[in-house]
Amino acid sequence: GAGVSQSPSNKVTEKGKDVELRCDPISGHTALYWYRQSLGQGLEFLIYFQGNSAPDKSGLPSDRFSAERTGGSVSTLTIQRTQQEDSAVYLCASSLLAGAPYSYNEQFFGPGTRLTVL
Amino acid sequence: AQTVTQSQPEMSVQEAETVTLSCTYDTSESDYYLFWYKQPPSRQMILVIRQEAYKQQNATENRFSVNFQKAAKSFSLKISDSQLGDAAMYFCAYRNTGNQFYFGTGTSLTVIP
Repeated sequence: GAGVSQSPSNKVTEKGKDVELRCDPISGHTALYWYRQSLGQGLEFLIYFQGNSAPDKSGLPSDRFSAERTGGSVSTLTIQRTQQEDSAVYLCASSLLAGAPYSYNEQFFGPGTRLTVL
Repeated sequence: AQTVTQSQPEMSVQEAETVTLSCTYDTSESDYYLFWYKQPPSRQMILVIRQEAYKQQNATENRFSVNFQKAAKSFSLKISDSQLGDAAMYFCAYRNTGNQFYFGTGTSLTVIP
């Protein structure tokens, strides 16, 4: 079956512009996560959606960052007034959450969007 | 909050040899799940192996195995018969029962032909 997809794969923008990054999770996966990975670094948690519950936004670095998930499927991460420090790879992952919390429910990752802010 | 520590930023191994990547974590929970992910230069994160905290038996997936020491909060990955395709960044991850994931900073593995 289809995996997690993200678009665009690369995005170059100018400082101060807004950008939208899209994530299509695996069909039926109720949980969706966004991470930021700076060059050569680990994964920085940004936001987590689980079903119809209020999202966990505790990782968003500033109010310039927001995300939504429509219809429990596709998610969009929006960065307003981009700064050069926003340059990174943005990864999306989804998880089934079947039998949660007592099952593996590993994350399946998309290929990421590489954002470059000039 | 839980933390995951990978103390080896870089490791190298000769092709066909064995290498062990270390991972420790900090938690007060008794039920949790542990994972190793591989990220090759293509950026695609791939699940390598997983372990349930309440299972004492170490997980094994072909050439990949773990040494899970719950009391020591240690979860190391052993790669046997290393292949050139194993070269990648490896991330250790912890999932709590709230479905929150915590990742280490990664270990970059080089396989020397």
